[in-house]
Amino acid sequence: EDQVTQSPEALRLQEGESSSLNCSYTVSGLRGLFWYRQDPGKGPEFLFTLYSAGEEKEKERLKATLTKKESFLHITAPKPEDSATYLCAVQAKGTYKYIFGTGTRLKVLA
Amino acid sequence: DAGITQSPRYKITETGRQVTLMCHQTWSHSYMFWYRQDLGHGLRLIYYSAAADITDKGEVPDGYVVSRSKTENFPLTLESATRSQTSVYFCASSSSGIPHYEQYFGPGTRLTVT
Repeated sequence: EDQVTQSPEALRLQEGESSSLNCSYTVSGLRGLFWYRQDPGKGPEFLFTLYSAGEEKEKERLKATLTKKESFLHITAPKPEDSATYLCAVQAKGTYKYIFGTGTRLKVLA
Repeated sequence: DAGITQSPRYKITETGRQVTLMCHQTWSHSYMFWYRQDLGHGLRLIYYSAAADITDKGEVPDGYVVSRSKTENFPLTLESATRSQTSVYFCASSSSGIPHYEQYFGPGTRLTVT
């Protein structure tokens, strides 16, 4: 069964304190792994797509990496505006459906 | 405005009533999706559509009906609302173009069934 597990559930960081969020997955043939950011009361906002192990993508203070079993979202020197819930999803080959994890709630303190 | 919109943004209804949530996208994306988001469950797929007049069930379809007569619209109907359908509902769309499989989400509809 395709499955996505995110950890930790919640994370509190001081401004400037770098850390990583984890997304572990099992899927029968990965088409893509997706990271989203969701602010309270809003829809998920697309961040990255990763297609194969070893791939990396960067955007400002965020960097996503992918292995055959997990993905990491590295946050370098975070700012309070990076506070949000970060969602991971996988898509198996042969389908357009996503399987989402339950997310990591990140709070960055000034 | 370009993008994906949902209406209404907030809805309160009574048990047993029929309610329809609307979704409209301006990108001419082939694929459209309906999710519900609940604490502890994350985003769960209700229904999806690959094109006009083509729809299929997701993970939690019971109690919901969809239609897609036009590419840009994908309404979700709760035929007889129940309290367990109280949730936040998100519509999303995706291009079918390789390799762009990312989904883009609307702002959500918060539905309360009393």
